[in-house]
Amino acid sequence: GDSVTQMEGPVTLSEEAFLTINCTYTATGYPSLFWYVQYPGEGLQLLLKATKADDKGSNKGFEATYRKETTSFHLEKGSVQVSDSAVYFCALTVNQAGTALIFGKGTTLSVSS
Amino acid sequence: GAVVSQHPSWVICKSGTSVKIECRSLDFQATTMFWYRQFPKQSLMLMATSNEGSKATYEQGVEKDKFLINHASLTLSTLTVTSAHPEDSSFYICSASHGTGAGYTFGSGTRLTVV
Repeated sequence: GDSVTQMEGPVTLSEEAFLTINCTYTATGYPSLFWYVQYPGEGLQLLLKATKADDKGSNKGFEATYRKETTSFHLEKGSVQVSDSAVYFCALTVNQAGTALIFGKGTTLSVSS
Repeated sequence: GAVVSQHPSWVICKSGTSVKIECRSLDFQATTMFWYRQFPKQSLMLMATSNEGSKATYEQGVEKDKFLINHASLTLSTLTVTSAHPEDSSFYICSASHGTGAGYTFGSGTRLTVV
């Protein structure tokens, strides 16, 4: 079945460091891909998305490119801040009405000053 | 933008009682609502998918008689945890779909603690 695999955490970085969180997927057809962020005690917020191959999603300095050839959607940010500390989830949907998102296990990012 | 309001944000109840969690789409019609459960430091586990006016579809292993889902209107879906027990303590999150593959809006979640 369809699935998402993302790197195990936690990821611990110093402020202004470069961030990469790897995400790969398995899906039939052409899914849409998402990154969500969850701050402690809160629900999920959409960070960025891409709906077709080679699309780049970007928001708040974060970027991810939909790579069909490597079935990947790695999240990157050039300079992290303490406020970026959160759990990041990679997800996909198979673009059918009424279909739920399929999530990876989440990666905890901790940024220290 | 699309907003889903989820209430309550946290609730503590006694073992054996029932708890109702509401999710309302404030500025759009949520044809489909998804209910997830999240254990500490783990991912979101899909519990069920509900479509307005029809019975919910539950994922394998989720007890439909224990987790009652009602989606009576295009703006309201509820999850009732019946006869709650401590092992039901978890973070429950709803999500509304608004467009094929394009938009999912999440509620802020409900922290349920059963004592």
